[in-house]
Amino acid sequence: KAGVTQTPRYLIKTRGQQVTLSCSPISGHRSVSWYQQTPGQGLQFLFEYFSETQRNKGNFPGRFSGRQFSNSRSEMNVSTLELGDSALYLCASSTQGAQEQYFGPGTRLTVT
Amino acid sequence: AQSVAQPEDQVNVAEGNPLTVKCTYSVSGNPYLFWYVQYPNRGLQFLLKYITGDNLVKGSYGFEAEFNKSQTSFHLKKPSALVSDSALYFCAVRAGRTGGFKTIFGAGTRLFVKA
Repeated sequence: KAGVTQTPRYLIKTRGQQVTLSCSPISGHRSVSWYQQTPGQGLQFLFEYFSETQRNKGNFPGRFSGRQFSNSRSEMNVSTLELGDSALYLCASSTQGAQEQYFGPGTRLTVT
Repeated sequence: AQSVAQPEDQVNVAEGNPLTVKCTYSVSGNPYLFWYVQYPNRGLQFLLKYITGDNLVKGSYGFEAEFNKSQTSFHLKKPSALVSDSALYFCAVRAGRTGGFKTIFGAGTRLFVKA
């Protein structure tokens, strides 16, 4: 079974721009979560989607948004980028609820 | 509010010696506890989980973890460390209910295994 894939793997953007990151979960997984990983803040939960509905959200500003499609693929969008948004963005999928998550390799976003 | 603490930023151990990476948690309701490992420039890999049942759970690569409800701990252990175990280890608690879960990660513990 193919693992979680994320595109693009690397991205360089300028302050004020917006960016869209994509995640394809493991086949059959309907839950997709997004995390931001930085050296200073560690791994922080952004949001979780299940069956195209956002089920939970972390403490991030409204500039961070996401969606999930009917095939469980998910995208996250960050608008009006700030330098502090530079991070590794990880996507994870799971079958449901409390089960373990399987992570993609991440998208490394650099904001200049 | 849920929280996870990994009190050690770094753990150093000699190859062949037993290793322990500590984790304590705070969660309302039943805890769903996990350990993940991250190798350089890669995503996290699932190691093991505790949902219910036996307090000692076994996972990948010879790792195991002991759930202790009274001490609210979930320490990761391995009887004999390998150099290839050197990585960043995260403890996590998944909390919520049907309709919405979120995973809270600890800050991570870097494990160095010396040959």
